[in-house]
Amino acid sequence: EAAVTQSPRSKVAVTGGKVTLSCHQTNNHDYMYWYRQDTGHGLRLIHYSYVADSTEKGDIPDGYKASRPSQENFSLILELASLSQTAVYFCASSGGGANTEVFFGKGTRLTVV
Amino acid sequence: AQSVTQPDARVTVSEGASLQLRCKYSYFGTPYLFWYVQYPRQGLQLLLKYYPGDPVVQGVNGFEAEFSKSNSSFHLRKASVHWSDWAVYFCAVSMDTGGLSGKLTFGEGTQVTVIS
Repeated sequence: EAAVTQSPRSKVAVTGGKVTLSCHQTNNHDYMYWYRQDTGHGLRLIHYSYVADSTEKGDIPDGYKASRPSQENFSLILELASLSQTAVYFCASSGGGANTEVFFGKGTRLTVV
Repeated sequence: AQSVTQPDARVTVSEGASLQLRCKYSYFGTPYLFWYVQYPRQGLQLLLKYYPGDPVVQGVNGFEAEFSKSNSSFHLRKASVHWSDWAVYFCAVSMDTGGLSGKLTFGEGTQVTVIS
């Protein structure tokens, strides 16, 4: 079964601190994505990657960096966390192509205080 | 740019009754459309997907959706709701570039509450 694992599942961070969210997939997928979900809203794309060592900006990349050191791993980095980045973050992977399913992780709940 | 609108933020339905969730999209080109469900504290799970072809698509757990190009809509239906359908439902659209199927634009979601 396709799997996307996120860690940690929840985190409290201090304003101005550095936060790293990790994502690991065992699907052998080329494409990975980071989304953000705010309470009462849909998901918005932050960064994505279609190959190791390369990342692309999504719709809301400001304040975030991404890193794809291997096909299996994709990290989201908040260099200077801010209150407005409190949200639930979802990682996803897909095999590419319009006719492939996207698999989501269970999410990381980040609270910045 | 593409967009997705789900006009109903919350829907309450009796167990056993029918359910329809509305979705309107705006997209220049051939849309690939999806419905996802999110159970509490869980990730998103795919209910069904539409690729150009038959406008009515069947999904899991008795869900189906109908694509209408003239109305720019992709409404979700279920004939008889079960209490386990209590969840948030998201409509999403993907580009038809042939790749990046996970580069999705989501609607804001519809919270479905099931009452007995």
